[in-house]
Amino acid sequence: EPEVTQTPSHQVTQMGQEVILRCVPISNHLYFYWYRQILGQKVEFLVSFYNNEISEKSEIFDDQFSVERPDGSNFTLKIRSTKLEDSAMYFCASITDRGNQPQHFGDGTRLSIL
Amino acid sequence: SQQGEEDPQALSIQEGENATMNCSYKTSINNLQWYRQNSGRGLVHLILIRSNEREKHSGRLRVTLDTSKKSSSLLITASRAADTASYFCATMNAGNMLTFGGGTRLMVKP
Repeated sequence: EPEVTQTPSHQVTQMGQEVILRCVPISNHLYFYWYRQILGQKVEFLVSFYNNEISEKSEIFDDQFSVERPDGSNFTLKIRSTKLEDSAMYFCASITDRGNQPQHFGDGTRLSIL
Repeated sequence: SQQGEEDPQALSIQEGENATMNCSYKTSINNLQWYRQNSGRGLVHLILIRSNEREKHSGRLRVTLDTSKKSSSLLITASRAADTASYFCATMNAGNMLTFGGGTRLMVKP
């Protein structure tokens, strides 16, 4: 069964550095999402992406964050000038189309900011 | 409380028993989904129930939805040790984004 894959599985970065989290959504999916889960807390929506542009974004997704689909397969989340509170699991998800469909999640990237 | 709140927060049962988890939400929804998360892993989709559906089954899972009470329940029958995980409900609105609850940590003792 096709899967959403995320790399790296664990990223350790110094505070203030930039990180890029990578995701390869399922190949025929059209909508892409990033969520984050701070340790012990809820999974929170960050951003959705369709047709090479952001569809929706949450309050968390401020100017520090950006997303990109640089080619036909990758979907990236860039976090500039990382802060300690950015430490979390970041999940990518994709869906074939809008409507009553389940989102398919990757295994996540654990981001640790030191 | 926030959209998609589960209770109980933690549940410990013996293998073979049934586990029931509840979820409440506040706003109108297109559907409600249940996900499972094993420790340190990603979210695995279990079941989706649409806003016009009242009950849905999948294997040992049974989900109910009461839109008048804005609540849902997930029943796992004949639980197994391998069912030990965190279970999250998530509501989907017209914007197609998921809003997750805080989850129920289920422990099934062999």
